[in-house]
Amino acid sequence: QKEVEQNSGPLSVPEGAIASLNCTYSDRGSQSFFWYRQYSGKSPELIMFIYSNGDKEDGRFTAQLNKASQYVSLLIRDSQPSDSATYLCAHLGGSNYKLTFGKGTLLTVNP
Amino acid sequence: DVKVTQSSRYLVKRTGEKVFLECVQDMDHENMFWYRQDPGLGLRLIYFSYDVKMKEKGDIPEGYSVSREKKERFSLILESASTNQTSMYLCASSLPGTGGLEKETQYFGPGTRLLVL
Repeated sequence: QKEVEQNSGPLSVPEGAIASLNCTYSDRGSQSFFWYRQYSGKSPELIMFIYSNGDKEDGRFTAQLNKASQYVSLLIRDSQPSDSATYLCAHLGGSNYKLTFGKGTLLTVNP
Repeated sequence: DVKVTQSSRYLVKRTGEKVFLECVQDMDHENMFWYRQDPGLGLRLIYFSYDVKMKEKGDIPEGYSVSREKKERFSLILESASTNQTSMYLCASSLPGTGGLEKETQYFGPGTRLLVL
């Protein structure tokens, strides 16, 4: 089973802090990784994708990928209460366009 | 903007009923997916489709079937609904291709919350 593991949380951070969300995966053939955000009662929406080792930044969000250690993380700088949501990590592996999702980490940003 | 729509936001059915969940996307995407999402279990793939009239089983296809007669529409069918199929059902679509992960990004519909009594 090609699994994606996320720290289940919940993770609670104060407003303005850095929130760090982590994800490990077992399939060494995984090439690409996606972070989705899901507000309560809503459907997932894409935040970022990453496929190269290192960091990728987009505004307050930074995705980090380390293929040797098989982990991918998402950092949220200057966390806002509006960032409170469940964050889903997913990887794309193989040749059939299937995404495998982790179970998500619930983040709460306290004002 | 990609738009994925699902026929119902909330649905209540009785055990044994045949249930149809419809999904339509307006961006000419080739790939379409059906997931269910349950607390503690995350998103699980039921079926997906690469093209019209093509379908592939996902991780949990038992008790479900699908139909894709037109490129923009992907239907999930519960042949005989059971209480353990009470869940949130999410449809997604993507445009496959090489040269960019933008095309692999899956866009989700709003979801259908199904309750089977």
